[in-house]
Formats: sequence, C-alpha cells, structure tokens
Amino acid sequence: GAGVSQSPRYKVAKRGQDVALRCDPISGHVSLFWYQQALGQGPEFLTYFQNEAQLDKSGLPSDRFFAERPEGSVSTLKIQRTQQEDSAVYLCASSLVLDSSTDTQYFGPGTRLTVL
Amino acid sequence: AQSVAQPEDQVNVAEGNPLTVKCTYSVSGNPYLFWYVQYPNRGLQFLLKYITGDNLVKGSYGFEAEFNKSQTSFHLKKPSALVSDSALYFCAVRVPIPYSGAGSYQLTFGKGTKLSVIP
Repeated sequence: GAGVSQSPRYKVAKRGQDVALRCDPISGHVSLFWYQQALGQGPEFLTYFQNEAQLDKSGLPSDRFFAERPEGSVSTLKIQRTQQEDSAVYLCASSLVLDSSTDTQYFGPGTRLTVL
Repeated sequence: AQSVAQPEDQVNVAEGNPLTVKCTYSVSGNPYLFWYVQYPNRGLQFLLKYITGDNLVKGSYGFEAEFNKSQTSFHLKKPSALVSDSALYFCAVRVPIPYSGAGSYQLTFGKGTKLSVIP
C-alpha cells in the first residue's frame, strides 16, 4: 500500500520567506509526527498529533514554527520568516494505533529545506 | 533522560563479511528500541524493533539485532554484508510524550552510523 508522502521534496527559500510543508500519512493512521534532521545528525522530534489534536509541540524550535492537522489526516508544517538555521530535512511519520506499546512509526521521504 | 548512543560515525566492511553497527542505550524502565536505515535522499525505513521477549530480534533485509540488558546494548548485525547495505543507520529509543495521554511516544535517535560495504 501507499506509504507516507511529503511535498515538496525540495524547497529553497530566501531568508524571511514563509514556507509550508505537507505530509500525507498512511491512510487510517491515527498518530502523526514531525521531526527535523539537521545535516549529519539524527532526526529530532518537533510535534505530535493524535487525529486532529496537537498533543505536544515541545520540540518546535521557535514560535515561527506552526503545525496543523485540521481533519485528522493531512498535516502541514509552516515556518514563518525563515532563517538560515531552519535549513534541514523535515520528516513526517505516522503510526496506526492510538494507544499501543508496540506500534511502529513509518516515515516519509522528507522535505529538504534550504534557506539562502 | 532516555537516550541512545552510536559510538561509531562510520563502519567499513568488506562484501560478504559479517557486519555490526553498535548502539547503547540509557533509559529508565523497560527499553523499547528500534533500528532504521536511511538511503541518500530518502526517508527512514524501519528495520526492526525490540519490545520484549527474545533478545535476538530479526528484521527486514536479513538484519537482526541483539538486545543485551547487562551491557545496555542493542547492536545491529548481519551475517553477510551486501554492497546495497551501504547507507546511514539510526538507532532509536521510544520516549513517552509528557501530558499527552497513555500510548503517546516519540522516538529519540542516535546520531547515526554510516555503513560502507566495500566490493
């Protein structure tokens, strides 16, 4: 079946521009996660949704970052007034079960954001 | 704090030889551990996970991992390496998300180990 998809795959923005990154999770998956992967590093948690509810946003690096999932399916990560330090790969992951100790997160291909 | 460490930035192995990619963990309570692989310009692909039970976990593409509680390790292994196994490998531990209800977890990743299999 279809996996997690993300668009665009690559985004170049000038410093100060706003960007929007889209994630389409696996159909029926309840949980959705956003991670940020800086060059040469492992992914770092940004935010988490259960259906349409954003239950944790403690990993968002600043108030310029905003995420939503209004209908409990597609999610958008928005970055306002982009800065060079925002350059990274943004990964989206989804998992099926709402409350399980054994669930697995499945990742999309990521969006590589470059801020000039 | 829950964390994992990957002590090697890079591992080189000859094709056909066994490979090991190391991971150690630091958690309170029972650890839930994962291995993911990342090919260039692609996302993370799930390989295997340890939740409970048998210490030897078998996963995708012939990979397996051995959970060792006394050494707090979860090393990834494969008996015979392929050139196509060359990629970036990440170990991760499941960490509860505070105040988000039961069953809410995020993954905390190591820095990754680049595996190069030499023909």
